[in-house]
Amino acid sequence: EAGVVQSPRYKIIEKKQPVAFWCNPISGHNTLYWYRQNLGQGPELLIRYENEEAVDDSQLPKDRFSAERLKGVDSTLKIQPAELGDSAVYLCASSDTGKTFSGNTIYFGEGSWLTVV
Amino acid sequence: AQKITQTQPGMFVQEKEAVTLDCTYDTSDPSYGLFWYKQPSSGEMIFLIYQGSYDQQNATEGRYSLNFQKARKSANLVISASQLGDSAMYFCAMREVGDFNKFYFGSGTKLNVKP
Repeated sequence: EAGVVQSPRYKIIEKKQPVAFWCNPISGHNTLYWYRQNLGQGPELLIRYENEEAVDDSQLPKDRFSAERLKGVDSTLKIQPAELGDSAVYLCASSDTGKTFSGNTIYFGEGSWLTVV
Repeated sequence: AQKITQTQPGMFVQEKEAVTLDCTYDTSDPSYGLFWYKQPSSGEMIFLIYQGSYDQQNATEGRYSLNFQKARKSANLVISASQLGDSAMYFCAMREVGDFNKFYFGSGTKLNVKP
């Protein structure tokens, strides 16, 4: 079974430029997450989707960040314009809401490493 | 208040020795799950072990075990017989049945295994 796939793996851009990250979750997983992780820190949730619906986007900086999950499968996270402080790893993850609560873990992709210069 | 607290930013352990990574949590939900993840320098988060709040026994997965003390709200990860490949960041996480698709992560502990 294929895991969570993200691209690009690495991206270097100049500040004020746009950038987009793509995520393909594990097949059948209804819930999709975008996290931001700064160096040496834990992941921080940006947005969570249940199918196509964004159910938790309270931590998404909506002035410059946007996300979409068309058809409830793939998702794209966009930053426009990027700032120096956006340099981080952007992690996509998914989980299967069809399973019972117990032991239902979240599966992560390898992350997209963004450097803004 | 922080949902998950990991108070050890960094730890060292000698190869082949056991090490305990601390995690405390805060919740008023009677039903919750606790998870540990490993993140090597490559960046991918790898699921290690799970403990349910109603589980009577401590979870074990190979060399990993979870020391669950419910009254103290702690869920420490114990790695036995440390290996060089165990050097990584380790994150404790929790989900609550009230919103069970929301995961809370701690700030992590950097483990270095010395030869």
